[in-house]
Amino acid sequence: QKEVEQNSGPLSVPEGAIASLNCTYSDRGSQSFFWYRQYSGKSPELIMSIYSNGDKEDGRFTAQLNKASQYVSLLIRDSQPSDSATYLCAVRNRGSTLGRLYFGRGTQLTVWP
Amino acid sequence: GAGVSQSPRYKVAKRGQDVALRCDPISGHVSLFWYQQALGQGPEFLTYFQNEAQLDKSGLPSDRFFAERPEGSVSTLKIQRTQQEDSAVYLCASSLVPTQETQYFGPGTRLLVL
Repeated sequence: QKEVEQNSGPLSVPEGAIASLNCTYSDRGSQSFFWYRQYSGKSPELIMSIYSNGDKEDGRFTAQLNKASQYVSLLIRDSQPSDSATYLCAVRNRGSTLGRLYFGRGTQLTVWP
Repeated sequence: GAGVSQSPRYKVAKRGQDVALRCDPISGHVSLFWYQQALGQGPEFLTYFQNEAQLDKSGLPSDRFFAERPEGSVSTLKIQRTQQEDSAVYLCASSLVPTQETQYFGPGTRLLVL
């Protein structure tokens, strides 16, 4: 079992809709959770980080964390075509004091006009 | 300001050749990571440096892979006797201090082994 699992998609939503991206992780002691956006042929770019249970909002993005269910999600409101990219979920485990991240395989999102 | 830079951006190697990939982290960043990203997959950790010390190399897939950061800034990832399965994008990331959560990624080197 991989450390981090994502629904691989692809996910396709119309412009203006809410896109929902999901991620589960296996290490119950994981402490830090990240969402990266990766445009085709580009490097990952951090868009959200979350450390405690609940919701964290930043503009059109909301990250949700449920440690009991070992589940983290990303909601994108008012989706725009420019949001079309692969979204990577990353986790830093309890024992990873040196900063190593475990990534899921990513969910490809397409927002159509 | 300057971000993480990597060179070359693209590399084509014949099977069996040695390659060297370079990473210039953000100036002053203590932590440096190498990841390997195969097509359609997320990045997989290879190795970690704190200044010049290689503190974690558990992700290096074989002894053909070697990384160094001799002066605590620029890092080189070397792959000896390349194989087709080494074809991937090699990403370098840096962070200011070991406990800083944000890792800044470079553009990557796309390696194709024929």
